[in-house]
Amino acid sequence: GENVEQHPSTLSVQEGDSAVIKCTYSDSASNYFPWYKQELGKRPQLIIDIRSNVGEKKDQRIAVTLNKTAKHFSLHITETQPEDSAVYFCAASILGYALNFGKGTSLLVTP
Amino acid sequence: GAGVSQSPSNKVTEKGKDVELRCDPISGHTALYWYRQSLGQGLEFLIYFQGNSAPDKSGLPSDRFSAERTGGSVSTLTIQRTQQEDSAVYLCASSLSFHETQYFGPGTRLLVL
Repeated sequence: GENVEQHPSTLSVQEGDSAVIKCTYSDSASNYFPWYKQELGKRPQLIIDIRSNVGEKKDQRIAVTLNKTAKHFSLHITETQPEDSAVYFCAASILGYALNFGKGTSLLVTP
Repeated sequence: GAGVSQSPSNKVTEKGKDVELRCDPISGHTALYWYRQSLGQGLEFLIYFQGNSAPDKSGLPSDRFSAERTGGSVSTLTIQRTQQEDSAVYLCASSLSFHETQYFGPGTRLLVL
């Protein structure tokens, strides 16, 4: 089955800096790659997703890049703010099927 | 509109008892998914429904776990003879159709003593 590796497990940045989280996946058939943000005690919320026919997608301060050849994708957050502090999960799937999640990255943005 | 809802929000049970967890998907969403999140871990897929049928049950960890969905809406996840290792947050998600974005509920936190 699909195996998703996520790095780093923890990340601490200063407010205003950029944060990058990287994921790799094993199943070349995967074609959908969402990112979820989970604040403590809350539900995971989709922040951005990308499908395999696109190499990059941007939404304000958040961007995701996908390299299908290398089977890795990354989340980039620019101009980080304290409210960006949360656990971020990447996932990979064949669209419409179960999401296979990474183990998460705990991001801390210090003022 | 209303998001995915789950009940109860917290459940404490004794080892060996059965529990039922409920998920109400977003109205009109035809696909429904159950995941499990153990402490400090990622989300683990359990089962999904397209309408009332469950084409993929591969993630259910044992035959003590079962799920059903009726009327293309509410779903119930049942854990029989609970064990301490079943303690986790059980999350439900729904999507408009099979190929769309999954939206998560708040989860049910299950503690088996």
